[in-house]
Amino acid sequence: DAKTTQPTSMDCAEGRAANLPCNHSTISGNEYVYWYRQIHSQGPQYIIHGLKNNETNEMASLIITEDRKSSTLILPHATLRDTAVYYCIVRSTNAGGTSYGKLTFGQGTILTVHP
Amino acid sequence: DSGVTQTPKHLITATGQRVTLRCSPRSGDLSVYWYQQSLDQGLQFLIHYYNGEERAKGNILERFSAQQFPDLHSELNLSSLELGDSALYFCASSVASRTTTYQETQYFGPGTRLLVL
Repeated sequence: DAKTTQPTSMDCAEGRAANLPCNHSTISGNEYVYWYRQIHSQGPQYIIHGLKNNETNEMASLIITEDRKSSTLILPHATLRDTAVYYCIVRSTNAGGTSYGKLTFGQGTILTVHP
Repeated sequence: DSGVTQTPKHLITATGQRVTLRCSPRSGDLSVYWYQQSLDQGLQFLIHYYNGEERAKGNILERFSAQQFPDLHSELNLSSLELGDSALYFCASSVASRTTTYQETQYFGPGTRLLVL
């Protein structure tokens, strides 16, 4: 699975949009970009994933650049409850081998939302 | 609430002991994954079971073992515990079927916090 690079930490004001970048310059064509977050030692929470096109759900939007080498997770109106560690994960769609669907977590970005 | 349940929430034990962590996947999910989160290693994949069969192993110690039962719940057994085994242990489940690539979204449980004294 391709390696990802994320800023160590970011701040955001409550009510404003939080834009979390992720670099995955070695991503290959069959790899998805997944985002999870972890709030204070709780279980990681799935947010969104995408392959090529931008995606939106009730939690967030995912913008993937045309060359797929980077992406941005957007929380449109951040709240204090969005304070968490956000993980960007690149994951192969190929079955078999040693991956068999495992998620490889990096260090993530610590997002702090301020009042 | 992800629909994945884990018991117990907290476990305190002594070095050399053995413990069993339990995970119940979401209804209908056939795959169960176990992860360990320690302060120095972050979140690491341990093992994956699909419909009762082991599918992949990650950084799982030989002192650790897991199994998935016919009702699809899974247990992670940790033996000869050491101080360094203190960590959060998460399980995740996904729908995965024999015709898929095991790449479906994983949903995590709340975890079991293990403290070895």
